[in-house]
Amino acid sequence: GNSVTQMEGPVTLSEEAFLTINCTYTATGYPSLFWYVQYPGEGLQLLLKATKADDKGSNKGFEATYRKETTSFHLEKGSVQVSDSAVYFCALRRLTGGGNKLTFGTGTQLKVEL
Amino acid sequence: NAGVTQTPKFQVLKTGQSMTLQCAQDMNHNSMYWYRQDPGMGLRLIYYSASEGTTDKGEVPNGYNVSRLNKREFSLRLESAAPSQTSVYFCASSLTGDQGNEQFFGPGTRLTVL
Repeated sequence: GNSVTQMEGPVTLSEEAFLTINCTYTATGYPSLFWYVQYPGEGLQLLLKATKADDKGSNKGFEATYRKETTSFHLEKGSVQVSDSAVYFCALRRLTGGGNKLTFGTGTQLKVEL
Repeated sequence: NAGVTQTPKFQVLKTGQSMTLQCAQDMNHNSMYWYRQDPGMGLRLIYYSASEGTTDKGEVPNGYNVSRLNKREFSLRLESAAPSQTSVYFCASSLTGDQGNEQFFGPGTRLTVL
């Protein structure tokens, strides 16, 4: 079946540090890949996505590249801010007979300190 | 547009009580979903509705029922609540098929079963 594995947190960084959150997946075929972000007390928001191999998704300074050869979709940001503190979820989507079901990783909490 | 709305935001139940979580979306999406979020387990799909008039089980459907009341509304019912159903519940919606790359999430309902 489909699965997503992401690094456990919490990850604690100082402001302006470089961020990497690892995500690998298992799926048949060619899934679409997503990063969602959850700020405290809120629902999830789409951060970025990639729909085919070698695509790079980017948004708000975050980037992730769809690597089919390593089945990975690592999230990176060159300089984090305190406002980036949140929980980040990697997810994949496989089109099925009905709906667009997402399979989520367990989430990685990021804390950014001054 | 309000996006995806959920009621209530918080609820405390005693074991054996029943309740219905309400969800509505105003984005004219065909597909709707119910997830639960538990620490260390990410989001798990309970039920989904690919289109009005259809519902299907997700990963963890036991103890829940759903109703797709119309295109806008998708409710989740706990007939006899158990402490294991203490969780945060999220409703989401999306377009269908290849257009449905992004799921939009509500703010969540925090449920405690005593």
